[in-house]
Amino acid sequence: GAGVSQTPSNKVTEKGKYVELRCDPISGHTALYWYRQSLGQGPEFLIYFQGTGAADDSGLPNDRFFAVRPEGSVSTLKIQRTERGDSAVYLCASSLASANTGELFFGEGSRLTVL
Amino acid sequence: QKEVEQNSGPLSVPEGAIASLNCTYSDRGSQSFFWYRQYSGKSPELIMFIYSNGDKEDGRFTAQLNKASQYVSLLIRDSQPSDSATYLCAVNGYTDKLIFGTGTRLQVFP
Repeated sequence: GAGVSQTPSNKVTEKGKYVELRCDPISGHTALYWYRQSLGQGPEFLIYFQGTGAADDSGLPNDRFFAVRPEGSVSTLKIQRTERGDSAVYLCASSLASANTGELFFGEGSRLTVL
Repeated sequence: QKEVEQNSGPLSVPEGAIASLNCTYSDRGSQSFFWYRQYSGKSPELIMFIYSNGDKEDGRFTAQLNKASQYVSLLIRDSQPSDSATYLCAVNGYTDKLIFGTGTRLQVFP
């Protein structure tokens, strides 16, 4: 596709369940970012991949959060033992090189609701 | 202290006026500065970036950077109702991560 694709667009789960959110970046973009955004807040940085490796995962809030990008393209954000405070829109963005030199292209987000 | 600070607004301006949006940042080592626009329920999209001190103009938009004061601003001339959105200031971090502010909500009324 032409843009960044995120699935699912909407996910409702129960507290304690496991969730996976998928991001398919723009073809050829080496940099991939995950952010989460709560209502009325700006995007909060979670993790940044350059190729297959996590260049910076300092934004992951705790060890329940994990992300992978095994082939340097599609990325999956995994959340274990979900909590109500994890409810937010999870945004994925990709860039041709890095955020410093290029534009971030965002997907439409995955809205996670934890009941 | 937050890394990137913005007044959450709303900032209300009449159609045709100049809207001035401001942002301060804490990391003196930051090199790249961005303004993103986010319509309600949509994802952010890039409006402008600026790397050097001074002004950078693109159409109705002007970005201003003052590294000594750690201050970035965005001016929107001839504001239109279609400019009503949240404007996010973003600054690069130490490892190429982009840090966003909370955003300023702009309302342009006819």
